[in-house]
Amino acid sequence: QKEVEQNSGPLSVPEGAIASLNCTYSDRGSQSFFWYRQYSGKSPELIMFIYSNGDKEDGRFTAQLNKASQYVSLLIRDSQPSDSATYLCAVNRAGGYNKLIFGAGTRLAVHP
Amino acid sequence: SQTIHQWPATLVQPVGSPLSLECTVEGTSNPNLYWYRQAAGRGLQLLFYSVGIGQISSEVPQNLSASRPQDRQFILSSKKLLLSDSGFYLCAWSLGQGVDTQYFGPGTRLTVL
Repeated sequence: QKEVEQNSGPLSVPEGAIASLNCTYSDRGSQSFFWYRQYSGKSPELIMFIYSNGDKEDGRFTAQLNKASQYVSLLIRDSQPSDSATYLCAVNRAGGYNKLIFGAGTRLAVHP
Repeated sequence: SQTIHQWPATLVQPVGSPLSLECTVEGTSNPNLYWYRQAAGRGLQLLFYSVGIGQISSEVPQNLSASRPQDRQFILSSKKLLLSDSGFYLCAWSLGQGVDTQYFGPGTRLTVL
């Protein structure tokens, strides 16, 4: 079992729809969870992080965390073609200092 | 505000040649620094991290090495490149406290021929 799993996609949604990206992790001791967006050929850029169970909203983005189910998700409301990118889920490795374990990413395609 | 630089942006090197990639951070002191590699279509693999000058930890055995000669400078090196070293090399920094979010530099795309 991979430490951080994401569906590779592509996830195709129409413009204006809600895109739902999912991530599961194996280490129950993980404490912080991050979503990065990576455009083709570019470096990852942070969207948001979450560390408490429940929802966290930032503009059109909502991160959801369920530690009991070891599940974290990212919702993108009113999806735009400019949201088309690969979304990386990252989970900190429990214990010691912060080492992030990344999923392979989900490719999102928003079509007009 | 903090800024992270990497160079070169792209590099094409023959097998067996040496490598030196540089990363510098501005606007913060004593950051944690990281080197990642991303192979085509793959996730990010942590190669090295550093919590201070001269302090380097390796995550994966390989023919690469890292050094931190100054507080905000991180260097990735190899004496002899392999074909399998091709990839997108990313440097990242974090404050080393709290949630400790990592922020990435623009990356170096390395092709070994």
